[in-house]
Amino acid sequence: DAGITQSPRHKVTETGTPVTLRCHQTENHRYMYWYRQDPGHGLRLIHYSYGVKDTDKGEVSDGYSVSRSKTEDFLLTLESATSSQTSVYFCAIKGDRENEKLFFGSGTQLSVL
Amino acid sequence: QQPVQSPQAVILREGEDAVINCSSSKALYSVHWYRQKHGEAPIFLMILLKGGEQKGHDKISASFNEKKQQSSLYLTASQLSYSGTYFCGTLGGSNYKLTFGKGTLLTVNP
Repeated sequence: DAGITQSPRHKVTETGTPVTLRCHQTENHRYMYWYRQDPGHGLRLIHYSYGVKDTDKGEVSDGYSVSRSKTEDFLLTLESATSSQTSVYFCAIKGDRENEKLFFGSGTQLSVL
Repeated sequence: QQPVQSPQAVILREGEDAVINCSSSKALYSVHWYRQKHGEAPIFLMILLKGGEQKGHDKISASFNEKKQQSSLYLTASQLSYSGTYFCGTLGGSNYKLTFGKGTLLTVNP
């Protein structure tokens, strides 16, 4: 199994508070992704990174920011959490070659009350 | 923009076949297929690159027609273990922005 860890696994927070989710990999993969999963919407891309300090927006980036200061860590921040951001968040990693697959982390269940 | 998957859900009896389709409104570089069990992370099934190739893994295979911007996943002689949600993910160009469809819920009953 690929070395990818998400933390925390579960979090409950209140509306308006900042929240940071962490994705850590031990595979030295270049590409890292943050997705959210909601019933009826599948997996939607929030942000992704193609290298240290190189990030780009996905389909649903409003209200989220990311940072990647090291190859192994990709942080997702909700500056001021809202109830609409209650979701399951998955991090994924991918190697450089075009035929390489995504490895997903175990997910973070976030509840914003 | 998310690729479109069809059907949204399908129910089979063990041993029956199913086809799941994935289409995009933009040119595709490659198509990924993943399966997710309830409460778990998605797991990789296969990747199809430009060239119209067809790949297979056990009794699950897939095709990719880049001219039509479509891919199909074929599950033959389904087993109980095939139950789950299937996602296609598409890459347009070389920017590695992988976008997934909404998923197809496959239920295989005894």
